[in-house]
Order: sequence, then C-alpha cells, then structure tokens
Amino acid sequence: KAGVTQTPRYLIKTRGQQVTLSCSPISGHRSVSWYQQTPGQGLQFLFEYFSETQRNKGNFPGRFSGRQFSNSRSEMNVSTLELGDSALYLCASSSGTPRGETQYFGPGTRLLVL
Amino acid sequence: GESVGLHLPTLSVQEGDNSIINCAYSNSASDYFIWYKQESGKGPQFIIDIRSNMDKRQGQRVTVLLNKTVKHLSLQIAATQPGDSAVYFCAENPSTGNQFYFGTGTSLTVIP
Repeated sequence: KAGVTQTPRYLIKTRGQQVTLSCSPISGHRSVSWYQQTPGQGLQFLFEYFSETQRNKGNFPGRFSGRQFSNSRSEMNVSTLELGDSALYLCASSSGTPRGETQYFGPGTRLLVL
Repeated sequence: GESVGLHLPTLSVQEGDNSIINCAYSNSASDYFIWYKQESGKGPQFIIDIRSNMDKRQGQRVTVLLNKTVKHLSLQIAATQPGDSAVYFCAENPSTGNQFYFGTGTSLTVIP
C-alpha cells in the first residue's frame, strides 16, 4: 500500500506571498492531519480534516487554512507568509476514528520564506 | 529575531548495546501514545504504540513502558544498530480529539 505523499517537497517563497501544499493520504484513510515542525517549537498540530470537514484545530492564526476533497486528498494554505512560517509541514493520515488511532506521516514539505 | 532551537536531549550508545529513551507527557487524560522515529530529511515513522490500559508493549527489538502515575513513557531498543540513529519522539493523544502532542525529541546516535 502506498504511503502518504506530499507535494511539493521543497518550496521557496517571499514574505507576503501565499502557498498551497498538497497531501494524499494512504488509500482508504479518511482523516488527514497537518503539523508544523520547526527547530524552535518542535512538532505542532495545525488541524485535522475528516469527510471534507475540519474536525480539530490547533492554535495557529487564521492565515493557516486547509480543505479536504471527496477523495480525502487535502491541501493546506498559508497566506501572507512571514519569515517564521519557514518550517517542515507534515501531513499525517489515519483511517478516521475520532481519536486514539495511529497516524502515519508523509515526508513533509520544506518551506523556506525569504 | 533569532530563533532559539529546542535543546534536544542526546543519547549515544555503542552498537549492540540497549538504548532507553525517556519521555514525560503532560496530560493525565491522554490514553493513547505513539513512539515515532524521524531520520534526517524524512517524516516521522511509526515505531510502536500503547494504550493506557497497558503498562508494557513489545515489538520487534522495541519495548514501550508506560507509567501513568508519573506520566512517563520509555522506549527500549534492544541490540541497537547504526540504522537506529535518528530523533525519537513520543506523542500523546488526549481525550479531546485525533490530534497528537509531541515531545521535544531525543537524538540517538549509535557508535559503530
């Protein structure tokens, strides 16, 4: 079974721009969660999508948003990029129970904001 | 300003020795825990999980111990190999949803 895939793998943007990252979950998985990983803050939960609806949300500003499509693929968008948004953005998929379920991670998208 | 990186605990072991990586979790209501391994340039990889109704679980060369009284997890790796060199994270799942909260990680280096 193919794992979680994320595109693109690397991105360079400038401050003020916006960016869209994509995640394809493991086949059959319906939940997609997004995390931000930085040296300063570690791994932090952004949000989770299930059945095209945001089911959980972390403590990030509204510039961070996401969506999920009917095939469970998910995108996240960051608008008005700031230098501090430079990070590895990780997507994790799970089958979809509301909690207590293993999440499997993709390789991440490394975003550099200049 | 300049960002300050998290101070990652480090552990160096000789190849063939056993490794023990510790983690303190924060939420007494968390009842599901996962250990992940992250190699440079890759996403976290699932190693082993444990639910709060257990205090020990074993996998291939790995054992996780859970002490709910002091909110402590440990990961034991038997006969550590160079391929085990990575950063190891514990993650806790609280009762409120499907999100996980991650520890700061421990960097394991295996000396051949």
